[in-house]
Amino acid sequence: EADIYQTPRYLVIGTGKKITLECSQTMGHDKMYWYQQDPGMELHLIHYSYGVNSTEKGDLSSESTVSRIRTEHFPLTLESARPSHTSQYLCASIGTGNTEAFFGQGTRLTVV
Amino acid sequence: GQQVMQIPQYQHVQEGEDFTTYCNSSTTLSNIQWYKQRPGGHPVFLIQLVKSGEVKKQKRLTFQFGEAKKNSSLHITATQTTDVGTYFCAVQRDTGRRALTFGSGTRLQVQP
Repeated sequence: EADIYQTPRYLVIGTGKKITLECSQTMGHDKMYWYQQDPGMELHLIHYSYGVNSTEKGDLSSESTVSRIRTEHFPLTLESARPSHTSQYLCASIGTGNTEAFFGQGTRLTVV
Repeated sequence: GQQVMQIPQYQHVQEGEDFTTYCNSSTTLSNIQWYKQRPGGHPVFLIQLVKSGEVKKQKRLTFQFGEAKKNSSLHITATQTTDVGTYFCAVQRDTGRRALTFGSGTRLQVQP
């Protein structure tokens, strides 16, 4: 059973608001990822981290930022939400020497 | 950008028919993973292939890695309605920190 959690599961927010999507894992995994996925579509890598204080942008241009101050926590922040940010955001982690990615349940974000 | 092309994008089969999805890369891959995402769910790891020409089976699912390690396939024999979902291949990028990136996915619909 994967121990990776995302909150909130669903969020409806107004344009211009600042939001933080939370992702936590209790498996001690060093690698963590954020993906953006529209319903039924491909997963786009937007941020990843290979350890504490190590973060890099992914393939998809994103106006979000991330931080990795603790191994278990990898929050994603949108400073000013826009309708174009409406999507599902999936967090994943992979342990050292492992290859299997464990995903959280996702956050479905709607910006109105 | 994306390293693998996945086809077909969508397939609709009658229950009991077979199904195959393919991933193709222009470069040699160190390994390839397969994930399944049920409608409304998150991706779940199925398998990883590492060796040239490798074939692995999981009940009705057969996974193959090409001899040149540039392509892979997932074949489902005698589909069931429980097979419905989107199947993704995933590879490690060949640059930078080798982040995990996903193919575009094949959505499978099974008609009872």
